[in-house]
Amino acid sequence: EAGVTQSPTHLIKTRGQQATLRCSPISGHTSVYWYQQALGLGLQFLLWYDEGEERNRGNFPPRFSGRQFPNYSSELNVNALELEDSALYLCASPTASLRTEAFFGQGTRLTVV
Amino acid sequence: AQSVTQPDIHITVSEGASLELRCNYSYGATPYLFWYVQSPGQGLQLLLKYFSGDTLVQGIKGFEAEFKRSQSSFNLRKPSVHWSDAAEYFCAVGDLYGNKLVFGAGTILRVKS
Repeated sequence: EAGVTQSPTHLIKTRGQQATLRCSPISGHTSVYWYQQALGLGLQFLLWYDEGEERNRGNFPPRFSGRQFPNYSSELNVNALELEDSALYLCASPTASLRTEAFFGQGTRLTVV
Repeated sequence: AQSVTQPDIHITVSEGASLELRCNYSYGATPYLFWYVQSPGQGLQLLLKYFSGDTLVQGIKGFEAEFKRSQSSFNLRKPSVHWSDAAEYFCAVGDLYGNKLVFGAGTILRVKS
């Protein structure tokens, strides 16, 4: 069984640009969590998608957005990038029976210069 | 609001010594508790989880954790640490209402030979 896959592994963008990060959950899982892990700030909940809909959102500005596709893969978009958006972005695939047990991908390291 | 406290930012232990990483949580109902490990530049791997039942849970890599409701704690232990255990460890509580995991700030474990 394939795990959670994220792409790209690394991404370097200039301040003001847009970044797009992708995630494929474990086969059969319909939900995706996105977390931001910035240096010194721990893991902060960003977004939860389930069955194609945004179900919950963390305390982040609207320039953080995303979507979930019919095949349950997901995309995180960050517009108008700021230096402090530099972080490891982790995607997680929770189990269907207990939504809060989640399997994580390896992450996308976003660097804003 | 749900929260998780890991009071130790860094811990250094000698190889072969025992380990205990502390975790305290705040949650209004029966908690779902997790410990994850993260190697540098990697995603999170689930070590163990507690949902109900026996308060001493066994995980992978020889780790165990004990749930103590009276102390709101879920400390992680290992009887004999190996150099490969050096990593960052995160305690998390499952927020069933928000359907997300709330993480502690993490504890960085260093193992000295």
